[in-house]
Amino acid sequence: EIVLTQSPVTLSLSPGERATLSCRASQSVSRYLTWYQQKPGQAPRLLVYDASNRAAGIPARFSGSGSGTDFTLTISSLEPEDFAVYYCQQRSHWLTFGGGTKVEIK
Amino acid sequence: QLQLQESGPGLVRPSETLSLTCTISGGSFGSSPEYWGWIRQPPGKGLEWVGSIFYDGTTYYNPPLKSRASISVDASKNQISLKVTSVTAADTAVYYCARSLDDGYNFIYWGHGTLVTVSS
Repeated sequence: EIVLTQSPVTLSLSPGERATLSCRASQSVSRYLTWYQQKPGQAPRLLVYDASNRAAGIPARFSGSGSGTDFTLTISSLEPEDFAVYYCQQRSHWLTFGGGTKVEIK
Repeated sequence: QLQLQESGPGLVRPSETLSLTCTISGGSFGSSPEYWGWIRQPPGKGLEWVGSIFYDGTTYYNPPLKSRASISVDASKNQISLKVTSVTAADTAVYYCARSLDDGYNFIYWGHGTLVTVSS
């Protein structure tokens, strides 16, 4: 099983600031890395797939990068609606999720 | 806009079978290659993939659940079904059905989820 480790667990930032979220895989997943956003009481929302492809309708402030074992989701300038939990997911070998990073208002 | 709605019993007894249905609306079910999945989330915890079914009927399951999970499609009813046998408290979770992009594993459309509690 490929284990995905997300860091930090919690990120405390203010609106307008830049958020950098990390996802590290226990072995290479090539570029088969996906990012989701989840708000309380809601289903996850697909943000970025295959490491850097934004899903339809996702604002340009969300960007993904990385390959192999190290990946980053960057939110260039946090909007109030961006405070949520973010999960990474790999599809290189079966499908596993990271433990999540909560982006909270500072 | 494609809509997915999960339904099923909210309470299941230990050792029994969990059965859920996902009803799809707002799209042309079965008209193009489609990829569906079930993902679950224990209360307050992260996401876990349960399994997927592809348009050709091929199924894939998370290895720890492979012996207990079963996914099927009823195209005549626009429904995807999930069964998990021999449930324990560890199977308590919100269960989501979802449709993937054409790569099979990037889930773009999700249902609202349904909470299933395993308890006597």
